[in-house]
Amino acid sequence: GESVGLHLPTLSVQEGDNSIINCAYSNSASDYFIWYKQESGKGPQFIIDIRSNMDKRQGQRVTVLLNKTVKHLSLQIAATQPGDSAVYFCAGNNDMRFGAGTRLTVKP
Amino acid sequence: EADIYQTPRYLVIGTGKKITLECSQTMGHDKMYWYQQDPGMELHLIHYSYGVNSTEKGDLSSESTVSRIRTEHFPLTLESARPSHTSQYLCASSEDRGGLHGYTFGSGTRLTVV
Repeated sequence: GESVGLHLPTLSVQEGDNSIINCAYSNSASDYFIWYKQESGKGPQFIIDIRSNMDKRQGQRVTVLLNKTVKHLSLQIAATQPGDSAVYFCAGNNDMRFGAGTRLTVKP
Repeated sequence: EADIYQTPRYLVIGTGKKITLECSQTMGHDKMYWYQQDPGMELHLIHYSYGVNSTEKGDLSSESTVSRIRTEHFPLTLESARPSHTSQYLCASSEDRGGLHGYTFGSGTRLTVV
């Protein structure tokens, strides 16, 4: 199927700490895997993607790791800030369905 | 900034009314999608389109219809609104193969049926 599921529905971290959000996927046919951020009352927004032939990609304060052997993605956010509070989804670029997401709450 | 627009942003309507939620994108994307999302819940795919004159049902589409007469426009219609339709509706688009950046989402229409 095309389902993408997340390991944890909620994550609470202290401001300044690093966050790690995990994701399992079942559809291996995607060329890219993408992380989205959805803030309250808004649509999901692209954060970072990773090609399926890579295992790591770094952005500004974010790093995505891909382990195709176990079909696992993770999003690492360095020095988490209150503005990072949101729901985070992952998906393959060929997926049309998304999992429930992980709600990240950053405590000041 | 995303070039996909949804109107209205908020809508309160009475039971039994017919409503159309508008979605337009200026990126020339072939694929477009409609999702329904309740607060704190996952996105449910309700309709999608691969291009002009192509529409497919998703997982929760039995009470709504869509049309794709133009590439840039993908409206969603509820023939008879019910309180159970109260939700947020998100429109998205993508390049033919999902594209480098996956899906571009609109800001959503928050629908309340009273």
